[in-house]
Amino acid sequence: DGGITQSPKYLFRKEGQNVTLSCEQNLNHDAMYWYRQDPGQGLRLIYYSQIVNDFQKGDIAEGYSVSREKKESFPLTVTSAQKNPTAFYLCASSMTGLDGEQYFGPGTRLTVT
Amino acid sequence: AQSVTQLDSHVSVSEGTPVLLRCNYSSSYSPSLFWYVQHPNKGLQLLLKYTSAATLVKGINGFEAEFKKSETSFHLTKPSAHMSDAAEYFCVVSVGYSSASKIIFGSGTRLSIRP
Repeated sequence: DGGITQSPKYLFRKEGQNVTLSCEQNLNHDAMYWYRQDPGQGLRLIYYSQIVNDFQKGDIAEGYSVSREKKESFPLTVTSAQKNPTAFYLCASSMTGLDGEQYFGPGTRLTVT
Repeated sequence: AQSVTQLDSHVSVSEGTPVLLRCNYSSSYSPSLFWYVQHPNKGLQLLLKYTSAATLVKGINGFEAEFKKSETSFHLTKPSAHMSDAAEYFCVVSVGYSSASKIIFGSGTRLSIRP
């Protein structure tokens, strides 16, 4: 089956630790995205990548980092510099850029205590 | 600048009655407009997309939306609600495919269906 996988579904970390969220797609899409969702709010773009080895900051990139070494993979690291990391994180991909249909993964719920 | 406003945070309708979820947008450029649906603790799924072709856009599960440039609106409708339609709905505006690209999600409308 083609699609996007995110692992794990739930993640718990202590404050001050970096944590990496996984996102893999087998849709052969060029573009990939990371969003953050907080209760009662829409999604906010963290980072996006339109091709391998290239990525751009979104609206809330501070405290996050990404890499895009392979077309299929776009991991997100939540660093200790992120002041409020507890949230639901969604990864997506699209054939074209931001004006194209995006396919979303099931999300990772990160809780930092 | 781009923005999107979903006018209702919560809409409740009876099963079998029409659904209307309202969305207004603003954009300095010709935007692409989307409606996505999210069921609890899940990713989002595309319902429909407007990209400057027909102004009335038909989507999945009987939903449709009409692009009205004069009113800067892109409201989502369905003639008859089903229990399975209960979910969160997001209106999205995006512009471009370059370093000037931008995507904005509305804050969402939670749709409840009464039996």
